[in-house]
Amino acid sequence: KAGVTQTPRYLIKTRGQQVTLSCSPISGHRSVSWYQQTPGQGLQFLFEYFSETQRNKGNFPGRFSGRQFSNSRSEMNVSTLELGDSALYLCASSLYRGGETQYFGPGTRLLVL
Amino acid sequence: GENVEQHPSTLSVQEGDSAVIKCTYSDSASNYFPWYKQELGKRPQLIIDIRSNVGEKKDQRIAVTLNKTAKHFSLHITETQPEDSAVYFCAASGGSNYKLTFGKGTLLTVNP
Repeated sequence: KAGVTQTPRYLIKTRGQQVTLSCSPISGHRSVSWYQQTPGQGLQFLFEYFSETQRNKGNFPGRFSGRQFSNSRSEMNVSTLELGDSALYLCASSLYRGGETQYFGPGTRLLVL
Repeated sequence: GENVEQHPSTLSVQEGDSAVIKCTYSDSASNYFPWYKQELGKRPQLIIDIRSNVGEKKDQRIAVTLNKTAKHFSLHITETQPEDSAVYFCAASGGSNYKLTFGKGTLLTVNP
């Protein structure tokens, strides 16, 4: 089976712009979670989607949003970008929710100038 | 919400020595505890996990122990090799909230 894929792999944006990142889970996986990884804060949970519904949300401002499609692919959007949004954004998929192994994608590295 | 503390933040060992990384969690309802290894520039990869109905699990040179009473779990790597050098993350999830909460990571360096 193909692994989790994310596009694009790299992005450079300027402050105030918005960005959309995409995640394709492993075939058959229905849960997709998003994480922000920075050197100082480690892996911070953004949100989780299961069956096209957001099931969990982390402590991030409303500028961070996401959605999941009927084929389980997920997108996350960040509006009004700030310098502090520069990070590696990882998505992870699992078969179901809770206690299931999460498989990570390669990440999208976002740089905000 | 769940809080996971991980220690140490950096660990340097000689090849062949053992390495131990410790994590504590706050939510007594947590019942799933995975460990991930992330090499430089790569994605995190699951190396071992343990569930709350088990006290210890082993996979070749890697073992994880869980003490539910103390809300504490540890990763043990024996006979370390240079290719074990990476950042290791512990995590916890369970209860009514399936969110996976990660520790801040341990940078393990194995010196040849």
